[in-house]
Amino acid sequence: AQSVTQLDSHVSVSEGTPVLLRCNYSSSYSPSLFWYVQHPNKGLQLLLKYTSAATLVKGINGFEAEFKKSETSFHLTKPSAHMSDAAEYFCVVSDPSGYSTLTFGKGTMLLVSP
Amino acid sequence: GAGVSQTPSNKVTEKGKYVELRCDPISGHTALYWYRQSLGQGPEFLIYFQGTGAADDSGLPNDRFFAVRPEGSVSTLKIQRTERGDSAVYLCASSNRGGRTGELFFGEGSRLTVL
Repeated sequence: AQSVTQLDSHVSVSEGTPVLLRCNYSSSYSPSLFWYVQHPNKGLQLLLKYTSAATLVKGINGFEAEFKKSETSFHLTKPSAHMSDAAEYFCVVSDPSGYSTLTFGKGTMLLVSP
Repeated sequence: GAGVSQTPSNKVTEKGKYVELRCDPISGHTALYWYRQSLGQGPEFLIYFQGTGAADDSGLPNDRFFAVRPEGSVSTLKIQRTERGDSAVYLCASSNRGGRTGELFFGEGSRLTVL
């Protein structure tokens, strides 16, 4: 079975400062990992995905994440936060044996102050 | 439509009542998923359709929950004898490549409140 742990329920940053959202995973297999973002009253949107190619993955809106097998981590970063980045972010692991199950973390709410 | 559409966006019902939630996937997407998101939690998998058939219903919590997709497009999630613990946001997603790639397109959800 696979799982993800998001280490922070809330992260607060100032506009223009770096963002770090932490995620650790547990998987019996070589995992596929994703970050999704959920803005208020909007559907979940895929930010980026790791599927065993390059360990540094670039996503939309300037976000990127690095897969570190030795640390079982997949942290999400952005060099400079924008007000529009305020949202809830979910780290997700995919069931490698099939097509159906995405396992979501509990989410990290990113708050951006001016 | 351009995205996944879910109706109703909000539903308030009384304990013991029957509820139906509808999902219109992106046109041409063969895979359809239902997830449930409780307050303060990430979405939890309920059921997955490939075409008309339920390929994986292992996430349905009990036999009060049932979903159909009779023509391989629109899907309905049905909840019988609702309980207060069923209160959550029910999310629908569709894909043309399957969950393995992780690229699911989600609707905005149906918020169910059971009084």
